[in-house]
Amino acid sequence: GAVVSQHPSWVICKSGTSVKIECRSLDFQATTMFWYRQFPKQSLMLMATSNEGSKATYEQGVEKDKFLINHASLTLSTLTVTSAHPEDSSFYICSAREAGATEAFFGQGTRLTVV
Amino acid sequence: RKEVEQDPGPFNVPEGATVAFNCTYSNSASQSFFWYRQDCRKEPKLLMSVYSSGNEDGRFTAQLNRASQYISLLIRDSKLSDSATYLCVVSAKYNNNDMRFGAGTRLTVKP
Repeated sequence: GAVVSQHPSWVICKSGTSVKIECRSLDFQATTMFWYRQFPKQSLMLMATSNEGSKATYEQGVEKDKFLINHASLTLSTLTVTSAHPEDSSFYICSAREAGATEAFFGQGTRLTVV
Repeated sequence: RKEVEQDPGPFNVPEGATVAFNCTYSNSASQSFFWYRQDCRKEPKLLMSVYSSGNEDGRFTAQLNRASQYISLLIRDSKLSDSATYLCVVSAKYNNNDMRFGAGTRLTVKP
């Protein structure tokens, strides 16, 4: 299957700082990327959908000014958690999909801990 | 009501057992259905898509009941390596831009 690389795999940061997570499609052009958040023992929750070159579409309840998404190229999308707080601690995971495809492939996820 | 509901388990079964998971969804307009597998602290991986006519892939059989809005996954002759969390995923859009995940059913296969 296609490869999606997410970096970093884990990060610990201080409250109030910002954290950037990268999601790269290594062997295909990802016209659409998705960002999810998963709390322990809960389902993946879609945060936003981004199409290359366009502004991301955020799900209801997700603050776009707090979770900045950039999808400037066909192989890279970034999620920046701004002014992170302990309640933002979670497993963030991206998935990427090629134009015309129905299957999206997931990155390895980023475990964020805000202290 | 959650959009996608699954029995969280855990299901603890011996090797060789047959185990079945069910999943219900609330959006009657849902078009696409999937089962994903997620190992602990790893990303989900597609196990199989679920088609209206039902489909089988080796030891795994998936079925869809649109009238009752539920999906099932049957695992036969379970292996130790089947231990994982199984996620039911539903999408109302043909392009799958709105995939909704269940919380997952935890399976542990024991020797």
